[in-house]
Amino acid sequence: EIVMTQFPVTLSVSPGERATLSCRASQSVYSNLAWYQQKPGQAPRLLIYGASSRATGIPARFSGSGSGTEFTLTISSLQSEDFAVYYCQQYNNWPSFGGGTKVEIK
Amino acid sequence: QLQLQESGPGLVKPSETLSLTCTVSGGSISINTYYWGWIRQPPGKGLEWIGTIYYSGSTYYNPSLKSRIAISVDTSKNQFSLKLTSVTAADTAVYYCARLGGGYVDWFDPWGQGTLVTVSS
Repeated sequence: EIVMTQFPVTLSVSPGERATLSCRASQSVYSNLAWYQQKPGQAPRLLIYGASSRATGIPARFSGSGSGTEFTLTISSLQSEDFAVYYCQQYNNWPSFGGGTKVEIK
Repeated sequence: QLQLQESGPGLVKPSETLSLTCTVSGGSISINTYYWGWIRQPPGKGLEWIGTIYYSGSTYYNPSLKSRIAISVDTSKNQFSLKLTSVTAADTAVYYCARLGGGYVDWFDPWGQGTLVTVSS
């Protein structure tokens, strides 16, 4: 099983600031990495797949980077609707998710 | 626009079998491009992949749950289903169904809204 670790667990950011979220895999997953956003009471929403490709309808302020074992999700200028929990997921092997990063208002 | 909707009992007794169905609308489950999956999320916790199915009936299960799960498909109803046997309180979770990106191991998009299943006597 590939273990995904996300950090920080909680990120406090002011609206308009940049947020950088990290995800680490216990072994290489190449670029087989997705990011999701989840708001309270809602299903996760796909943001990024292939480590850096934005899903349909996702704003350009969301960007993904990395390969191998280290990945980053960057939100360039946080909007009010971006405060949520973010999960990474690898699909190089049977799917597994990170524990999530909560982005909260500072 | 493709939509998925989970349905099934919200309360299951310990040791019994949890049964859920995912109904797909706005597209055919038989398209030979996509796989379909189940994911769960215990209250306040993270996400866990349960298993994946193809319209032909081929299945792929999380090894940690494999002995207790069965996923099936009914193409005539555009549905796929999950059965989880011998449930305990640890199986209490929101259960989601979703379409995979294009392979049997892939990202999930879109997702159903989820259904909470509580295991309790």
